[in-house]
Amino acid sequence: GQNIDQPTEMTATEGAIVQINCTYQTSGFNGLFWYQQHAGEAPTFLSYNVLDGLEEKGRFSSFLSRSKGYSYLLLKELQMKDSASYLCAVLDSNYQLIWGAGTKLIIKP
Amino acid sequence: GAGVSQSPRYKVAKRGQDVALRCDPISGHVSLFWYQQALGQGPEFLTYFQNEAQLDKSGLPSDRFFAERPEGSVSTLKIQRTQQEDSAVYLCASSLVSGGHSTDTQYFGPGTRLTVL
Repeated sequence: GQNIDQPTEMTATEGAIVQINCTYQTSGFNGLFWYQQHAGEAPTFLSYNVLDGLEEKGRFSSFLSRSKGYSYLLLKELQMKDSASYLCAVLDSNYQLIWGAGTKLIIKP
Repeated sequence: GAGVSQSPRYKVAKRGQDVALRCDPISGHVSLFWYQQALGQGPEFLTYFQNEAQLDKSGLPSDRFFAERPEGSVSTLKIQRTQQEDSAVYLCASSLVSGGHSTDTQYFGPGTRLTVL
């Protein structure tokens, strides 16, 4: 079967750095997405990785290792508004998005 | 510009009632997706349209679920004889690129929260 694993919840301090991990086992791989979802709102696109390595975009970076079936989202200089769920999703061989359950990130002052 | 919009934002239905959920994708977007999201879970794929053609409906949980996009823009997800287990947030997403195989980013609407009593 297809499986995306990410921690259920993480807590971090304002101004700090946090890394949210995602491991996947899917039938085929056509890229990995990270989305941010505030409570009661739509998921919003953060990043897309299809090649190994680190993609940096402002305070957010995303890393992919296809051989390990592993990705992480790195958030720097955390702000209170970063409190949200972070969803990892893999595009499988049928170009269908397979989603993780999301990691709820709690930022404390 | 305008994003993906969905209506209603909230819907309460009695068990056995039929409901219709509407999605207005971003103008010009070819692909449209419906997802079901249970509380504390990631979205689960329901169905996919390319223009007016429904190319994949493998995620629809039963024959009570039906989706259409007759003119290739607005889409409606209909659930007949609703059951309590249908309670969830129904998300619609659209993407620009045509073609069945696409890595193009999906843009999501705010969702419709359906509660079946």
